[in-house]
Amino acid sequence: TQLLEQSPQFLSIQEGENLTVYCNSSSVFSSLQWYRQEPGEGPVLLVTVVTGGEVKKLKRLTFQFGDARKDSSLHITAAQPGDTGLYLCAGAGNFNKFYFGSGTKLNVKP
Amino acid sequence: DTGVSQDPRHKITKRGQNVTFRCDPISEHNRLYWYRQTLGQGPEFLTYFQNEAQLEKSRLLSDRFSAERPKGSFSTLEIQRTEQGDSAMYLCASSGRGGPSTDTQYFGPGTRLTVL
Repeated sequence: TQLLEQSPQFLSIQEGENLTVYCNSSSVFSSLQWYRQEPGEGPVLLVTVVTGGEVKKLKRLTFQFGDARKDSSLHITAAQPGDTGLYLCAGAGNFNKFYFGSGTKLNVKP
Repeated sequence: DTGVSQDPRHKITKRGQNVTFRCDPISEHNRLYWYRQTLGQGPEFLTYFQNEAQLEKSRLLSDRFSAERPKGSFSTLEIQRTEQGDSAMYLCASSGRGGPSTDTQYFGPGTRLTVL
């Protein structure tokens, strides 16, 4: 059983479209990270959110942490082919342990 | 700071052989994690260290797997008598002092293991 559920699992869109990826849990996390991973490489950190209700922007990417610190979303505006990859969320729980979602595989077609 | 490094990047071995992977974390980080990842899935937790102490091991980690972090710096993950089901990407991450948030993990590039 995944502690963090990500949706959708797969997303295939055209360049220029907007999209939102969700990361949900019934557990509270002290912080939550979003990563992007390309095939054959390790996950690369995009952002860490810590405060409930926090919104962070990274160019065309907007990250939100839920008020109760149980869920998060990633919104991409005007997606580009370079955004293609596996997007992972990870929550920091007790005792410095991290819990990963199963990922959202994004394909942006030119 | 050079980030987390892992060696080798790729390993191909025959079933029954032993393999060892190395991870060098970010130097100020006191916590080090090992994960296993299969294609298209999120990383699965294997074990983690705080300094040289191994604090938790997943039930996924059979007796054939052992990890060490003898001086609280680099770590090794050994798999004995490899099986085809061990084929996966093995990821190392570190966290702790020195980052923007002590809760944030930083990953290495991974070691891709293929067991024939």
